[in-house]
Amino acid sequence: EAQVTQNPRYLITVTGKKLTVTCSQNMNHEYMSWYRQDPGLGLRQIYYSMNVEVTDKGDVPEGYKVSRKEKRNFPLILESPSPNQTSLYFCASSLRGRRGGYNEQFFGPGTRLTVL
Amino acid sequence: KQEVTQIPAALSVPEGENLVLNCSFTDSAIYNLQWFRQDPGKGLTSLLLIQSSQREQTSGRLNASLDKSSGRSTLYIAASQPGDSATYLCAVFTSNTGKLIFGQGTTLQVKP
Repeated sequence: EAQVTQNPRYLITVTGKKLTVTCSQNMNHEYMSWYRQDPGLGLRQIYYSMNVEVTDKGDVPEGYKVSRKEKRNFPLILESPSPNQTSLYFCASSLRGRRGGYNEQFFGPGTRLTVL
Repeated sequence: KQEVTQIPAALSVPEGENLVLNCSFTDSAIYNLQWFRQDPGKGLTSLLLIQSSQREQTSGRLNASLDKSSGRSTLYIAASQPGDSATYLCAVFTSNTGKLIFGQGTTLQVKP
């Protein structure tokens, strides 16, 4: 089944304890990205990657790191989490179109992170 | 900077009504525009994708249109049902930055 998977789905941690949220897709998509969703602020892009070893900042990259060493994986790293990073996180991927551009975005189920 | 706006923020209608949700964007340099549905506490379900060269897409009771020159898209829902109650989000994929920018969403309630 074609899908985007995220782990863990729920995580409660403490300030300063490094964590990684994994994202994996089995559709051979070039484009992958991370978003956070907060009440009143909507969905905001954190980082995106157009292909292996290529990553760029989204609108809210502060406090996050990413890497794209393999096409299927795009982990989100919080080196020193803080309470303001408590949020619902989504990973997504899409295929590059034959004429350039990108196709439909597929989203993972979300990771609910609480930082105490 | 690309900005995406959705109006109205909330909408309540009786079952059976036809309705229109609006999405506007400030920069016409886009690859595509996508409409999503999100149920409370859940993930995003893709409804329709319109490429920048297209004018509209249809799926069942849903029809989405795109007018790139005016920076507008509409999602038309025919014969609304209580099961349509959810938040509807539009997102544009910008071609000059590679970013996906979301609107704030329209929360729809369809009353039986």
